[in-house]
Amino acid sequence: EAGVAQSPRYKIIEKRQSVAFWCNPISGHATLYWYQQILGQGPKLLIQFQNNGVVDDSQLPKDRFSAERLKGVDSTLKIQPAKLEDSAVYLCASSPGGHTRTDTQYFGPGTRLTVL
Amino acid sequence: AQSVTQLGSHVSVSEGALVLLRCNYSSSVPPYLFWYVQYPNQGLQLLLKYTTGATLVKGINGFEAEFKKSETSFHLTKPSAHMSDAAEYFCAVGNTDKLIFGTGTRLQVFP
Repeated sequence: EAGVAQSPRYKIIEKRQSVAFWCNPISGHATLYWYQQILGQGPKLLIQFQNNGVVDDSQLPKDRFSAERLKGVDSTLKIQPAKLEDSAVYLCASSPGGHTRTDTQYFGPGTRLTVL
Repeated sequence: AQSVTQLGSHVSVSEGALVLLRCNYSSSVPPYLFWYVQYPNQGLQLLLKYTTGATLVKGINGFEAEFKKSETSFHLTKPSAHMSDAAEYFCAVGNTDKLIFGTGTRLQVFP
């Protein structure tokens, strides 16, 4: 079974530029997550989708970050404009159902963003 | 509110030695607990999880963890470290609607 795919793997941009990340979850997984992992910290949930609806975006900086999951399959996360503090690894994960407390989440390799 | 504390950001062991990575949690509801491993330049991979039932949980690659409610702990152990175990390990607690991760422990294994 194919895992969670993410692209690009690395991205370097200057502050105030925009950037987009793409994620394709495991086939059939209803729930998709985007995490931000700053160096030296654990992953922090940015947004969670159940099919194509948003379940939780309470920690998404909505003035600059946006995400969508059209047709309930793949997803894009966008940052516009980027700030220096957005430098991090952006992880996408998926899980089969909607039980976040108990479901195993399957992670992609992440996109490492550097903002100069 | 739920939270996770991982004691020790770095742990070093010799190959063949016992691995012990510490995790303490805070939870206002019965906790669901996870250990994930992250190898360099890769995403996180589930090692093991505790939901209900047996408090000693066995995972992949010879790791196991014991849920101790009285100590609010979920420490990860492996009897004999291997070079390939070098990675970052994250403990997480299942909140009512999300996973809360600890800050991670980097495990180094020396020959």
